[in-house]
Amino acid sequence: DTAVSQTPKYLVTQMGNDKSIKCEQNLGHDTMYWYKQDSKKFLKIMFSYNNKELIINETVPNRFSPKSPDKAHLNLHINSLELGDSAVYFCASSLGGRAGEQYFGPGTRLTVT
Amino acid sequence: AQSVAQPEDQVNVAEGNPLTVKCTYSVSGNPYLFWYVQYPNRGLQFLLKYITGDNLVKGSYGFEAEFNKSQTSFHLKKPSALVSDSALYFCAVREGGSQGNLIFGKGTKLSVKP
Repeated sequence: DTAVSQTPKYLVTQMGNDKSIKCEQNLGHDTMYWYKQDSKKFLKIMFSYNNKELIINETVPNRFSPKSPDKAHLNLHINSLELGDSAVYFCASSLGGRAGEQYFGPGTRLTVT
Repeated sequence: AQSVAQPEDQVNVAEGNPLTVKCTYSVSGNPYLFWYVQYPNRGLQFLLKYITGDNLVKGSYGFEAEFNKSQTSFHLKKPSALVSDSALYFCAVREGGSQGNLIFGKGTKLSVKP
């Protein structure tokens, strides 16, 4: 069974569109994350979220919004997509105090044309 | 502010030789240190961590890392490299006791040749 899954794996869309990426974890973890990895492989935290608190990286545009219907899911919604949003987006999860030991999903490659 | 430096973009090693991937860090308090590996077109996988205790930490796939407080380093090592170890390696740090997020280095590409 896949521990952290993301859909879709690939997403190609045009500028200005709105899209969502879904993430699910079946590990029973209480904290989930979204990361952006650019073409140079730099990895940047976008959000971390548990059932108590959403922590937003202040550099993330407000066009990006996380939505969590329950503890096992953290979806990423992006409004008004721009060319610079093209990247690989990773979802991850961790358990409470072991926040450094994260389990990553396979990634979603977003291409904005 | 926390930061992580991986000074080498790429490390080339012959199969069977020892490998070292370097990492230095900066935090204001006690560091929690981590190594992750990313294979092509895959997500990151946790390899090992240092929280406290012995400075030499052993992890998955025969990797180990040595915490050196005086040099603020946490280098990843393996006694005998395999071609299958070829991947992108990330060092990460979090300030101990904080609720802060992991800060990742820029990654080091390890290439092991037969």
